[in-house]
Amino acid sequence: DTEVTQTPKHLVMGMTNKKSLKCEQHMGHRAMYWYKQKAKKPPELMFVYSYEKLSINESVPSRFSPECPNSSLLNLHLHALQPEDSALYLCASSQALADTGELFFGEGSRLTVL
Amino acid sequence: AQTVTQSQPEMSVQEAETVTLSCTYDTSENNYYLFWYKQPPSRQMILVIRQEAYKQQNATENRFSVNFQKAAKSFSLKISDSQLGDTAMYFCAFMKRLGVIQGAQKLVFGQGTRLTINP
Repeated sequence: DTEVTQTPKHLVMGMTNKKSLKCEQHMGHRAMYWYKQKAKKPPELMFVYSYEKLSINESVPSRFSPECPNSSLLNLHLHALQPEDSALYLCASSQALADTGELFFGEGSRLTVL
Repeated sequence: AQTVTQSQPEMSVQEAETVTLSCTYDTSENNYYLFWYKQPPSRQMILVIRQEAYKQQNATENRFSVNFQKAAKSFSLKISDSQLGDTAMYFCAFMKRLGVIQGAQKLVFGQGTRLTINP
């Protein structure tokens, strides 16, 4: 199994809503990532979890709250978002301490904030 | 800081032609990895090819090969015998390790090249 599965594929929410994005992998990877991608732009790193601990927060606003309940799951909790937060949110995973350097990406969750 | 530059926002070639996508990067590190990722219209980013900086031999994967010039900090991707399924956004990326203890890494992406293969 070399898949990273993200749900939902599409999400529309109002600025007062609370929603969550979910990411799952069963490759035994111990590093997981959230990236944000605007249209026609490269992905931008948001958060990195390594061994279920938050390693990197790239100065992301607190209305985005990541969570890593176990080594296979990664969530992104959304609250009081702004329309400019509309984007494709990509989850990725990698082998920690591996030499391959390859990230495996999910298909993404397309978020629209009204 | 590491930066990655892709100078070709868009390219278009005919099917079966060969196309080369350019990428330059800037780093002060000596050991690192470079990647080309492909993102088709269906959105999922997949790895096309990887180059380890300490290896002088250029990486190849079937129809895909790179021209890695370490001194010039250049990392171009050549696609031979291009196919319609090669139509996608291509991102050049530099991998920065976030430390042995942290056990994770950061990909620094270029702005991407949108490649269209025409029938």
